[in-house]
Formats: sequence, C-alpha cells, structure tokens
Amino acid sequence: SYELTQPPSVSASPGQTASITCSGDKLGDKYASWYQQKPGQSPVMVIYQDSKRPSGIPERFSGSNSGNTATLTISGTQAMDEADYYCQAWDSSTAVFGGGTKLTVL
Amino acid sequence: EVQLLESGGGLVQPGGSLRLSCAASGFTFSSYAMNWVRQAPGKGLEWVSAISGSAAGIYNAGSTYYADSVKGRFAFARDSTKNTMYLQMNSLRAEDTAVYYCAKGESVGAVGTGFDYWGQGTLVTVSS
Repeated sequence: SYELTQPPSVSASPGQTASITCSGDKLGDKYASWYQQKPGQSPVMVIYQDSKRPSGIPERFSGSNSGNTATLTISGTQAMDEADYYCQAWDSSTAVFGGGTKLTVL
Repeated sequence: EVQLLESGGGLVQPGGSLRLSCAASGFTFSSYAMNWVRQAPGKGLEWVSAISGSAAGIYNAGSTYYADSVKGRFAFARDSTKNTMYLQMNSLRAEDTAVYYCAKGESVGAVGTGFDYWGQGTLVTVSS
C-alpha cells in the first residue's frame, strides 16, 4: 500500500520560515494537499493541488511537489501557526495521509 | 456557507453496529465526492471511505471506495434528497474507536481531490 512519510516534528522561531516535507513514491505525479489541525479542532485545508491556497488561507502558506517530495512552507511563521500538519494524496482510488508533523513555534 | 454536521456516534460493544450521519448544506451536495476520515485518540488522520458525486458521470456517480481496514464491514451511502450521507459500520472492533469526520471533496465529480470542508466530528467508542 502507498505510504506518505513526514517528520514527526519541526520547529521555527516567530518570523522564520518553516518547511514540512512529505515523501512518497513518485508523489510528484499526484496532487498533494495539506491540512492544519489545532488541538480539539477539525482539520483545515491549507493547500490543495500541490500549491493552491483555499480562500481565507494566509499568503504565508505555500506548497510545492516534485519528484518524491511535497513541501509545505510557512513564511514568517506566527505563534498561531503552531499545530499538527498532515499531507494527503490519492493512490488507486484510495486516499492516504502522512503521519503528521507537529510544528512548534518557539 | 458550507456546513457539515455529523451525528450518530456513541459507545458500542465489539461486534456491534452503528450508523453515522452527516447532514450537508451550503453547496450542491449531489455533485461532489464526499468522504469519511477518522482519527483515533492521540493519533493521526486515517481515510475511511469515499463516494463519488453525480458530476463523475453516469458510470461513476455514486461509486464507493473503502480503506482495506474497513472493507466488507462499513458501507457508505448518500441520500441527495435529504443532503445527508451515512456510514453504516458493522462488526465493530476496538481499533475502530475514533472521532469520525465527514469531509467534502474540493472538486465536483470523482474522488481523488483534497478535502476542503470538514465536520466537527463524532466520537465512536468500541468497548465492552
């Protein structure tokens, strides 16, 4: 079965850039989406189709996807960005999520 | 405004059954693929099932897809007259304990897109 691998944790200082990677076999041939989840809340889509931002998502969130790796980049990280982040893609009519990355804003 | 409201969660014994509902509003429900995603306590997200929308074409509309972990035990259905979707869960196991979210596909038609709106979730606990 298809697997997506994320680092368990990433940290960034306020104002710095945070990058979260998601690795999977030929992931660049698929569309990747990213979700933010804060404690006790439902997930929120922050990136879809590799690099598109849904309405209402700040411009500091961006995404890319090439080769075997998709990347979520948060420019000018803010304290409110501290959350768990999940990547997601489809493989053979099955949706797959990465294991999640906890972003800590120090 | 898109809204998704789950209901039906609760405590059930191993081997039992439960039916979850998700009432949708604010968009053309029948056109979009819809999904169920679950999250065990303290764990990550796990996709459970999807159903394609009417815009997927006459041959694919209403097609259902399942994670291997629930295949043969869970059944996904939608009633477009009520803008409601259902997840019938049978032969429940302790490992099915999770918060279950309904989630809307971000494009019309076929499955295979991201999930742009999520419900608040409903907790299912499988325990004796």
